[in-house]
Amino acid sequence: EAGVTQSPTHLIKTRGQQATLRCSPISGHTSVYWYQQALGLGLQFLLWYDEGEERNRGNFPPRFSGRQFPNYSSELNVNALELEDSALYLCASSPRGGGNTEAFFGQGTRLTVV
Amino acid sequence: AQSVSQHNHHVILSEAASLELGCNYSYGGTVNLFWYVQYPGQHLQLLLKYFSGDPLVKGIKGFEAEFIKSKFSFNLRKPSVQWSDTAEYFCAVNAGNNRKLIWGLGTSLAVNP
Repeated sequence: EAGVTQSPTHLIKTRGQQATLRCSPISGHTSVYWYQQALGLGLQFLLWYDEGEERNRGNFPPRFSGRQFPNYSSELNVNALELEDSALYLCASSPRGGGNTEAFFGQGTRLTVV
Repeated sequence: AQSVSQHNHHVILSEAASLELGCNYSYGGTVNLFWYVQYPGQHLQLLLKYFSGDPLVKGIKGFEAEFIKSKFSFNLRKPSVQWSDTAEYFCAVNAGNNRKLIWGLGTSLAVNP
């Protein structure tokens, strides 16, 4: 069974540009989560999508946005990139259902803003 | 606001030593608790989790953790570490059904052979 896949693995952008990161969840999983792992800050929750809708959002400015497609894959868009946006962006997925379930993580996209 | 504290940022042990990594959280209600591990070059994976029931949870690779509600703690333990346990360990807490995991900053464990 394929795990969570993210693309690209590395992305280099200049300040002010836009970045688009992609995530394919495990087959059958309907929830997708995005996290930012910046140096010294640990993992910070960004967004949770389920069944195509944004369900929860972390403390990030509106220039961080995303969407979930009908096949449950997801995109994270970061507009007006700033140097501080340089980080590893992790995507995770979990199955449908209430309660709290384990999240499975992808390898991440390393975004570097220069 | 909910938060998770991992007291040890860097731990260095010799093989066969015992391990205990601290994790404390701040939330007064019902919580679900997780320990994730990230081996060098690999993705985050679940080590163990606590939802309810027996507060002593057994995980993979000989790890265990004990939920002590009165202390708001969920410490990770292993009686005898191996070189292959060298990794980054993260504690995470989910309070409620909002699927918003709150993470500790992680503990980097280096086990010397």
